[in-house]
Order: sequence, then structure tokens, then C-alpha cells
Amino acid sequence: DIQMTQSPSTLSASIGDRVTITCRASQNISSWLAWYQQKPGKAPKLLMSKASTLESGVPSRFSGSGSGTEFTLAISSLQPDDFATYYCQQYLNFLTFGGGTNVEIK
Amino acid sequence: EVQLVESGGGLVQPGGSLRLSCAASGFIFDTYWMYWVRQAPGKGLEWVATINQGGSEKLYVDSVKGRFAIFRDNGKNSVHLQMDSLRAEDTAVYYCATWRLGGQGTMVTVSS
Repeated sequence: DIQMTQSPSTLSASIGDRVTITCRASQNISSWLAWYQQKPGKAPKLLMSKASTLESGVPSRFSGSGSGTEFTLAISSLQPDDFATYYCQQYLNFLTFGGGTNVEIK
Repeated sequence: EVQLVESGGGLVQPGGSLRLSCAASGFIFDTYWMYWVRQAPGKGLEWVATINQGGSEKLYVDSVKGRFAIFRDNGKNSVHLQMDSLRAEDTAVYYCATWRLGGQGTMVTVSS
């Protein structure tokens, strides 16, 4: 089984900050990684796939990088709408998810 | 555009049963493995079950083995999760997925 580890679990930041979230896979998953944003009471929203391909309509302040076992989600300038929980997910071998990162207001 | 619409959730007593359904569209359904994923209140996302394209391979998380059954109908572009002997810890929003989540989920509450 492929395990996904996200860090940090909580991130406190201010509007305008650049923030980064890291996701590590227990084995090489190439670029088979997705990122989701989830707000309370809502379903997760797919932000990007193939580690760095943004879904249509996702603001360009979001970016993804990495391959193999280490990946990063970056938000270049945090906006009020970005306070949420973020999850990574591998889809090389079935599906497994990271534990989530809660981005909260500092 | 991928569309996944889950249904069938509700309130059920411990030991009871529910059948969840997922209607899929926007992709060639019978070429994809399909998954059920759940999220307990305040918790993260957990894979529950998966089925291959033809329905001959099925895998389950240990906590639901022997109680849940996944099956699909490729003629109707749908996948289902039969849940028996439900427990309080099965309380969650259940999502179906291809390689990605895509629906709004359906809430299952197991409580007396």
C-alpha cells in the first residue's frame, strides 16, 4: 500500500502570505498526484492533477510541483477564499489520501 | 466533464443495511476502476472499496470486509455499495470516485 503523509497538519497564515504544503509518498508515484480543497460542509474540490495541472477555473495563485515521492502545493498570495483544508491523493495504485492540512487565519 | 452523483444515504440503526448508488457520466465508464471513499465527521478521507472495469476484482478496507459489497452496472453507468451490519463508526459522507473524487457525496448516519 502507498502511504501519503502531509505536512503541516495545521498552517496559520495571513492574507497575502505565500504558503506551501508538502505531501510525501511512501514509494515512487511519478506524477500521479492530485490536490483538493475542502471547505466545511462541502465536498472536496479538485484543484489539480498530474501533480501540477490546474483544473479549469482554479486561480493561478495555486501551483503544484514535484514528482516521485515529494510534492508541494503552493499558494502565492493567500486570499480570504483560500482558508480551507487541503488534501493530497495518489492515484498510481488505487487511491490513498494524505491526512489533510488545515489553513487557518493567523 | 466528469459527473458523479451519489445517492442512497440516510439514517439507519446499528446492524441495519443501506445501498448506495453512484450515477456516472462524462467519461467512458467501463474503462475505469471505480471507488468508494468516505469521510467521517471531522476526519480525513478514507478509501473504502474498489472494483475493476468488468467487476471481477473487488477490494475492501479491512474494517468493512464481509459487511460491504461493491458492484457495478456498466450498462447503466452506475456503481453501488451494499452496506450491511452497519456500525456507528460507518457514519460518514460517502463519495464515489474514478481516479478522482467528483460528486457531492451522500451522508450515512448509523445511530439508534
